[in-house]
Amino acid sequence: KQEVTQIPAALSVPEGENLVLNCSFTDSAIYNLQWFRQDPGKGLTSLLLIQSSQREQTSGRLNASLDKSSGRSTLYIAASQPGDSATYLCAGLNQAGTALIFGKGTTLSVSS
Amino acid sequence: DGGITQSPKYLFRKEGQNVTLSCEQNLNHDAMYWYRQDPGQGLRLIYYSQIVNDFQKGDIAEGYSVSREKKESFPLTVTSAQKNPTAFYLCASSASSPRGTAKNIQYFGAGTRLSVL
Repeated sequence: KQEVTQIPAALSVPEGENLVLNCSFTDSAIYNLQWFRQDPGKGLTSLLLIQSSQREQTSGRLNASLDKSSGRSTLYIAASQPGDSATYLCAGLNQAGTALIFGKGTTLSVSS
Repeated sequence: DGGITQSPKYLFRKEGQNVTLSCEQNLNHDAMYWYRQDPGQGLRLIYYSQIVNDFQKGDIAEGYSVSREKKESFPLTVTSAQKNPTAFYLCASSASSPRGTAKNIQYFGAGTRLSVL
């Protein structure tokens, strides 16, 4: 059964730092991978989707990569800002291609 | 505006009562999903539907029921059989397509927080 692990569980950094969030899967048969942001008490906002044929995607200060051979993904945030403070969730499409399997998330706090 | 609307935002359930959470989308998506989120946990799939009049159980379907009579709507009923219903419930939708394409992006509603009285 596919399981998703996110490391670290929590991260505190000063404004301006570059940082990396990690996501790994027990089954490397990943069809695509999606990174989300969740603010406290809110729904999820999709940040990036990496399709099965891709290795990375970029949007503004965010860059996500996917290494299917090792079943790992990273989310790189450049020049972090206090507004980046949130929980970041990664999720991979399950083997049936029907729904996402989620990690527990990394809670990021960026101080000014 | 296009999007997913969940209602109510907060819901309270009395013991032995069934309650229904609403999810409506105007994105013209075929697939819809219900997830449950507990504090400090990732989302877990309750039910999903890839087409009208069809739905499948997810990982934690016990104590829940759904219907998909219209493409736009996918209501979730939390029955009295669900002994620990307190959680944050999230509905999502996506355009149904083969795996590995951009259409599998899932879009989420703002959630319903369910508590037990």
